[in-house]
Amino acid sequence: AQKVTQAQTEISVVEKEDVTLDCVYETRDTTYYLFWYKQPPSGELVFLIRRNSFDEQNEISGRYSWNFQKSTSSFNFTITASQVVDSAVYFCALSEEAGRRALTFGSGTRLQVQP
Amino acid sequence: DAGVIQSPRHEVTEMGQEVTLRCKPISGHDYLFWYRQTMMRGLELLIYFNNNVPIDDSGMPEDRFSAKMPNASFSTLKIQPSEPRDSAVYFCASSWDRVGTEAFFGQGTRLTVV
Repeated sequence: AQKVTQAQTEISVVEKEDVTLDCVYETRDTTYYLFWYKQPPSGELVFLIRRNSFDEQNEISGRYSWNFQKSTSSFNFTITASQVVDSAVYFCALSEEAGRRALTFGSGTRLQVQP
Repeated sequence: DAGVIQSPRHEVTEMGQEVTLRCKPISGHDYLFWYRQTMMRGLELLIYFNNNVPIDDSGMPEDRFSAKMPNASFSTLKIQPSEPRDSAVYFCASSWDRVGTEAFFGQGTRLTVV
């Protein structure tokens, strides 16, 4: 069965600090997809990034970067020079090609960025 | 496109009443998902549809919950009778029929059963 673990329940940083959110996943499929979503205080779920299991290249988008390592089944998310607007709950999620199409979410990490 | 549209945004009802949540997916999307978010259980999948057909309803908590998708542009999630433990935020999401594609979420319906 598929499973996503976000061990960090809550992280608090001061503005301009770098922060990494951890995500560890379990799946029996050889082809799978990993996602990060952001849930700001307003409550909506916003898609950030998708990665497939064949693409282990790290990705950078502005202050955001993602590190995918199949060897450790991890898909970590780093925010560089954090800002107050980054305060939100961040969810890691997994879907499988052969298994369940729907996303399985981790429990989320609440990030508080203090001014 | 306006995105996934859910109604109502907030619902307060008394225990025992019937509650119907509504969802309009993004036009052209073939998959529709219903999720529930609570502090205790996080984001859990209730049911999902492909081309209006229910594919997996193993997450539906019990017979009090039912979901329908009569056409490609509308789905409902019904709770009858409602109980206080059903209080949660219910999200609807939709996606294209491509493996590994992301799901787009609606704003959610915050349900409070008193």
